[in-house]
Amino acid sequence: AQTVTQSQPEMSVQEAETVTLSCTYDTSENNYYLFWYKQPPSRQMILVIRQEAYKQQNATENRFSVNFQKAAKSFSLKISDSQLGDTAMYFCAFTRHNAGNMLTFGGGTRLMVKP
Amino acid sequence: KAGVTQTPRYLIKTRGQQVTLSCSPISGHRSVSWYQQTPGQGLQFLFEYFSETQRNKGNFPGRFSGRQFSNSRSEMNVSTLELGDSALYLCASSGTDYGPLETQYFGPGTRLLVL
Repeated sequence: AQTVTQSQPEMSVQEAETVTLSCTYDTSENNYYLFWYKQPPSRQMILVIRQEAYKQQNATENRFSVNFQKAAKSFSLKISDSQLGDTAMYFCAFTRHNAGNMLTFGGGTRLMVKP
Repeated sequence: KAGVTQTPRYLIKTRGQQVTLSCSPISGHRSVSWYQQTPGQGLQFLFEYFSETQRNKGNFPGRFSGRQFSNSRSEMNVSTLELGDSALYLCASSGTDYGPLETQYFGPGTRLLVL
């Protein structure tokens, strides 16, 4: 079974600064996918970024980027130029290749962006 | 395009009752997944339906069941409700059978309170 661990229950960052959220996972699979989801107070889950394990290049989406270390089973999310709208719960998630849409989520990190 | 819709948004039930939640995916999407979110257990995968067939199932008791109709709308049913079933139930849809290569779009959730 796969497990996903987010060791930072809460974090805060000043507006316009950079913050990094940590995620580690445990799997014996070689082909898999990793995701970061954002859940604002409205509770609507939104995909932030995803990474295919076979790709060595780290994914980026505008202000969001990841540091994917496959050997270390680490998948951190960096948010640059933090904005007030980034305030949310952030969940790291994992799924095996060819497993359909079945996500294993970490416990989440509550991020507060302060003005 | 309309997003994923879930009905009802809020429900209050008593122990021993049963409940049915509904999820309408984005038009054209064939995969619907269900998740339970609680403060104690976090986000847990319930099951996934694709083209009216259950493709994946999480580790939940048989009281939790689901189905998908030919128009891809999905329902989940919980029988003999327990206090611990109080949760936010999220559904997510995606477009094809490529699994995680396709973005999963989440609905706003149904909040169930069991008294």
